[in-house]
Amino acid sequence: DGGITQSPKYLFRKEGQNVTLSCEQNLNHDAMYWYRQDPGQGLRLIYYSQIVNDFQKGDIAEGYSVSREKKESFPLTVTSAQKNPTAFYLCASTRYGLAGEELFFGEGSRLTVL
Amino acid sequence: AQSVTQLGSHVSVSEGALVLLRCNYSSSVPPYLFWYVQYPNQGLQLLLKYTTGATLVKGINGFEAEFKKSETSFHLTKPSAHMSDAAEYFCAVSESNFGNEKLTFGTGTRLTIIP
Repeated sequence: DGGITQSPKYLFRKEGQNVTLSCEQNLNHDAMYWYRQDPGQGLRLIYYSQIVNDFQKGDIAEGYSVSREKKESFPLTVTSAQKNPTAFYLCASTRYGLAGEELFFGEGSRLTVL
Repeated sequence: AQSVTQLGSHVSVSEGALVLLRCNYSSSVPPYLFWYVQYPNQGLQLLLKYTTGATLVKGINGFEAEFKKSETSFHLTKPSAHMSDAAEYFCAVSESNFGNEKLTFGTGTRLTIIP
C-alpha cells in the first residue's frame, strides 16, 4: 500500500539536543510538507518542498531545518535553537503541490523535550 | 490572505443525532475548502473538499458540506452520529491562485458522541 511513513512515533529529547524526524513516501508525489500541531492551534506549516533539492520556509521555520535529496524523503531536524519544540509533527505530501489537491498525511511524530 | 474560523472547539452530540460542525472562511479570491478528520495520535484524513461546481459536497463516512458564498461558510453535517465519528475535525481553506503551501487550517473542533 502506498503512503507516508513517519518515524519515530514518539521521541524524547533533552534540551540542547538536535533531533531528526524521518518522513518517507512511496506515492510518487512531488510536493512534501512538514506541519507542527499544538493543542488548540491547528496545523502550522514549517517547511515545504515542491521538487527535489529545493525547499521553502513556511510560517514557523525558525529553529528547524530540512533537506530533500530524494523525491521519497523529506527529513526534518529540530535544532536546539527551537525555543519550544514539544509538539506533534506531521508530514504530508501532494501530487503536484497545487491548490485544491488532497494532502496525504503520515501518522505523526510526538516530540517531548525533557 | 485567507483565514478560517471554526465555531466551537468542542461539540457533543448523542448517538443518532445530527452532527453540525461550523466553518467560516475569508478569502479574496474563489476559495478551495476542505474538511479533514483526525483520530487520536494519528495524521489527518480528507473527508471532503470543494473546488468548483456543485456547492453540496458529499464525502466519506456519510458526511457532507455545503459551500455558501453569501455566508462565507462551509459547515459539515452528518444526519446521524455514530460512535466512530468521535474525532477532531479541521476545516481548511486555500486560494485558487496559490499553491498548496498557502493552505490555512482552522483550530479544530473535537466531536464527542454520547451513547
